[in-house]
Amino acid sequence: EVQLVESGGDLVKPGGSLRLTCAPSGFTFTTAWMSWVRQAPGKGLEWVGRIKSKKDGGGATDYAAPVKGRFTISRDDSKGTLYLQMNSLKPEDTAVYYCSWYYYNREAYWGQGTLVTVSS
Amino acid sequence: DIQMTQSPSSLSASVGDRVTLTCRASQSIRTYLNWYQQKPGKAPNLLIYEASSLQSGVPSRFSGSGSGTDFTLTISSLQPEDFATYYCQQSYSVPLSFGQGTNLEIK
Repeated sequence: EVQLVESGGDLVKPGGSLRLTCAPSGFTFTTAWMSWVRQAPGKGLEWVGRIKSKKDGGGATDYAAPVKGRFTISRDDSKGTLYLQMNSLKPEDTAVYYCSWYYYNREAYWGQGTLVTVSS
Repeated sequence: DIQMTQSPSSLSASVGDRVTLTCRASQSIRTYLNWYQQKPGKAPNLLIYEASSLQSGVPSRFSGSGSGTDFTLTISSLQPEDFATYYCQQSYSVPLSFGQGTNLEIK
């Protein structure tokens, strides 16, 4: 059974940093492309970015414009873990953050999400 | 960047109705179009990928069609568990993008 479990969400002040973690299971993480998607309270889904596998994508990353230069997606294949490092956080980054398995051009499986609140 | 526009934003319907939701891309995305269902407080769930392929485990009353810029999601006979918000997503080019969603409500 595929499972993805996010953690690390918290209340953080504007300008602060936070690292989210996603622990997938039930599929081969080392060959998987992975995404982060967020959802602000009462709003729609917003793609944050993705990381390719090292095998067929060199571990390359892509980001949405609002987070580029502030957020970094990384992976530790030895630990089977996905990360989202968020710096220079703004109130508009407040959202539930989901990790997903990006399988053949679709977000095939999602975690339950972790809430990040940016407020003073 | 590719913009995705869904219509209507909200829709009221009854159990047993046939409903069609629409998604339009700002440029051709071939068939790189996915549909997701999201219920309150839950993560999204993949329904349809590549415009018309049914994800494993999804009931056959859901179907998708379209290519290029215009796409539809049809639910042939609404069931109580289908009342939710539906999102389309283009996976043709980065940055990937979602539509704003269609909220399907009980009439």
